[in-house]
Amino acid sequence: GNSVTQMEGPVTLSEEAFLTINCTYTATGYPSLFWYVQYPGEGLQLLLKATKADDKGSNKGFEATYRKETTSFHLEKGSVQVSDSAVYFCALSGAQKLVFGQGTRLTINP
Amino acid sequence: NAGVTQTPKFRILKIGQSMTLQCTQDMNHNYMYWYRQDPGMGLKLIYYSVGAGITDKGEVPNGYNVSRSTTEDFPLRLELAAPSQTSVYFCASRPGQGAGGANVLTFGAGSRLTVL
Repeated sequence: GNSVTQMEGPVTLSEEAFLTINCTYTATGYPSLFWYVQYPGEGLQLLLKATKADDKGSNKGFEATYRKETTSFHLEKGSVQVSDSAVYFCALSGAQKLVFGQGTRLTINP
Repeated sequence: NAGVTQTPKFRILKIGQSMTLQCTQDMNHNYMYWYRQDPGMGLKLIYYSVGAGITDKGEVPNGYNVSRSTTEDFPLRLELAAPSQTSVYFCASRPGQGAGGANVLTFGAGSRLTVL
């Protein structure tokens, strides 16, 4: 079945550091891939998505590229801010359901 | 535009009590979902629905029931609450297949449930 594996957290960085959160997937067919973000005390919200191989999703300075050859969708940001502190979830679309990774908690220190 | 509305936001139950978590969406989405999120953990799918009158089990359905009598509403019923059901519950919805943004979920703000 479909599955998503994220790098384990928590991840702690200093402000303006470079961020990478790894995500790999197992799927049949050609799923869409997503990153969702959960700020403290809130529900999840879509950060970015990619619908086919080699697509790059981007939003708020975050980027992720759909790599079919390595079955990956790593999240990157060149310079993180304290306001980026949140839990990040990688997900892929199945026929009727989304499959989520376990989440990675990111803390940015000033 | 309210999106996905969940009530209550917080609730404390005693072991063996029952309650219903309400979820309403005003986006005319066909698909609706209930997830639970345990502390420090990811999301686990409890139940989902692909349209009014149709529901199906997710990964962790035991101890829960759902119904979908209208497109807008998808209540989650807890029967005989147990401490293992202490969690944060999220309702989500998305358009049907073929609609624009079909696979993007819109989440509610969550309902925090404690069973003592």
